[in-house]
Amino acid sequence: AQKITQTQPGMFVQEKEAVTLDCTYDTSDQSYGLFWYKQPSSGEMIFLIYQGSYDEQNATEGRYSLNFQKARKSANLVISASQLGDSAMYFCAINTNAGKSTFGDGTTLTVKP
Amino acid sequence: EPEVTQTPSHQVTQMGQEVILRCVPISNHLYFYWYRQILGQKVEFLVSFYNNEISEKSEIFDDQFSVERPDGSNFTLKIRSTKLEDSAMYFCASSEALRGPSNQPQHFGDGTRLSIL
Repeated sequence: AQKITQTQPGMFVQEKEAVTLDCTYDTSDQSYGLFWYKQPSSGEMIFLIYQGSYDEQNATEGRYSLNFQKARKSANLVISASQLGDSAMYFCAINTNAGKSTFGDGTTLTVKP
Repeated sequence: EPEVTQTPSHQVTQMGQEVILRCVPISNHLYFYWYRQILGQKVEFLVSFYNNEISEKSEIFDDQFSVERPDGSNFTLKIRSTKLEDSAMYFCASSEALRGPSNQPQHFGDGTRLSIL
């Protein structure tokens, strides 16, 4: 069984500042991928960033970076220079090589002007 | 940019009826997924599909549900004998097969909102 825990139901950040969204995971698989998705109020799911279990370097995609600490089983998302358009629900997810996905409960991020 | 398309965007069905949700994955993708999201709640994995068979399924995906790839482009989710609690947003997703599903991001469609009356 696998599990994703997102302990922050809601987060606030000032525009232009950085914010970290927490994610811890549990899996018995040796090979897995960790993903972050953004869901705006319009409802679509937007892929942001991916980290493979064997990747030694933290993933980065523009203003998004993933702070991957394998020993702690954490995969926190860091958003730098927050923008008003970043206000959304953010989901952390794990995917195994068998194709099974598990999502966390999500964190609602609100960016204040 | 290629995208996953889902039809219809909103489906209203009487309780007890069968419903088919349709998805067209991205053309070069080989892994397909269905998820559901009850309003305001987490995204729940239903099933993954690869090489014309189910790869993994969750405990939610019981005999009431089935999936099919009827042709080279469509991927469908059939829900039989719908219940009120089946009301949710249903998302289809697809990913490339290179290096396995754990290494590929899933691209989501915009979802079908299913309302059971």
